[in-house]
Amino acid sequence: GAGVSQSPSNKVTEKGKDVELRCDPISGHTALYWYRQSLGQGLEFLIYFQGNSAPDKSGLPSDRFSAERTGGSVSTLTIQRTQQEDSAVYLCASSQTPGQTGNTIYFGEGSWLTVV
Amino acid sequence: GNSVTQMEGPVTLSEEAFLTINCTYTATGYPSLFWYVQYPGEGLQLLLKATKADDKGSNKGFEATYRKETTSFHLEKGSVQVSDSAVYFCALSSPYTGGFKTIFGAGTRLFVKA
Repeated sequence: GAGVSQSPSNKVTEKGKDVELRCDPISGHTALYWYRQSLGQGLEFLIYFQGNSAPDKSGLPSDRFSAERTGGSVSTLTIQRTQQEDSAVYLCASSQTPGQTGNTIYFGEGSWLTVV
Repeated sequence: GNSVTQMEGPVTLSEEAFLTINCTYTATGYPSLFWYVQYPGEGLQLLLKATKADDKGSNKGFEATYRKETTSFHLEKGSVQVSDSAVYFCALSSPYTGGFKTIFGAGTRLFVKA
């Protein structure tokens, strides 16, 4: 697509429920990233995919968080048994495999998650 | 590991004032450096970038020079406008971090008063 597309744009869920957040990267981009932005905070790296594999999962905050990517395209971030501290904006970004020009990444609009 | 440190905000300036937002980094290898901006109610977007030492990135009147000797990439603008009010994020991307992960500083919020 023309840009990074994320869904849902807003999600309110009850504590303890599972949620799935979806990201559709820019067509042809092999790298995909998930970040979390809490209110008034910076960007917290969660996970990075190159193709379908995730060489860096170091940012996932707990085993309640998981992510997958299939077909080198769409990715899903799943949060199980949500807690109130999971409330944040979850940002997806994608980029081409970086070359000499640097790895510019393009962000989606984010999925606003509120756990009540 | 790699890291990015930028000055804490918020920064409040009057219109036409000079802006500097400091950014320093720690990285192995030769990272690319970026400034991203998040305007109110919008997503993050690239403002400028530099891919090697002594390069200067520029866009919309903003500039930043990649200084390897001081590991810095400070953002400057000679005359800010109210429309520059936003959160600015310094970032680096390196091919030596287990992939091509881009990491961000904490962000600096800028308020420009008319």
